[in-house]
Amino acid sequence: SQTIHQWPATLVQPVGSPLSLECTVEGTSNPNLYWYRQAAGRGLQLLFYSVGIGQISSEVPQNLSASRPQDRQFILSSKKLLLSDSGFYLCAWSTGSGANVLTFGAGSRLTVL
Amino acid sequence: DAKTTQPPSMDCAEGRAANLPCNHSTISGNEYVYWYRQIHSQGPQYIIHGLKNNETNEMASLIITEDRKSSTLILPHATLRDTAVYYCIVPSGYSTLTFGKGTMLLVSP
Repeated sequence: SQTIHQWPATLVQPVGSPLSLECTVEGTSNPNLYWYRQAAGRGLQLLFYSVGIGQISSEVPQNLSASRPQDRQFILSSKKLLLSDSGFYLCAWSTGSGANVLTFGAGSRLTVL
Repeated sequence: DAKTTQPPSMDCAEGRAANLPCNHSTISGNEYVYWYRQIHSQGPQYIIHGLKNNETNEMASLIITEDRKSSTLILPHATLRDTAVYYCIVPSGYSTLTFGKGTMLLVSP
């Protein structure tokens, strides 16, 4: 069966520090991968999605970036965090044929101080 | 994505059926209706989707009107663990899913 792992689960970072969140999927190949963010009291915002290695689509301009170095690995990064980057970050995957049936990870809660 | 309209909140007694409505009057003929839910502090969970026929799985039933302009998600016997925000989504073509504000369902004892 397929599983999705996301880490770290929680982190507290100072403004201006770098960020790296990692997501891996097991039990499937060539998944579509997604990063969403949910700010406190807000809805889910799609940040990035990827349909293959090295292929990244950005939905909103920000100081975040994403990379997909391997087929089942998706990384969210920032060189310098802002206060507004605080939120609940969710990784998700889907198959190419079932692109709208997403399976989400447990999330990473980021607090920028 | 086609616009969807959901009530901001609903209440349901434990053991009763929860009927969550969604309006999607601008839906196109080949667009599916998807339902997800998000329990507090967790990632969203896929529930069910459909095109025109009613659908049922182990989690819920989806009733789509004949004109496809609205749908209802039915949880036949709601439990306290069904308390969550429920999202009705109609993605357009090859677009990615856009989550709106959804309906906050509170199941009470």
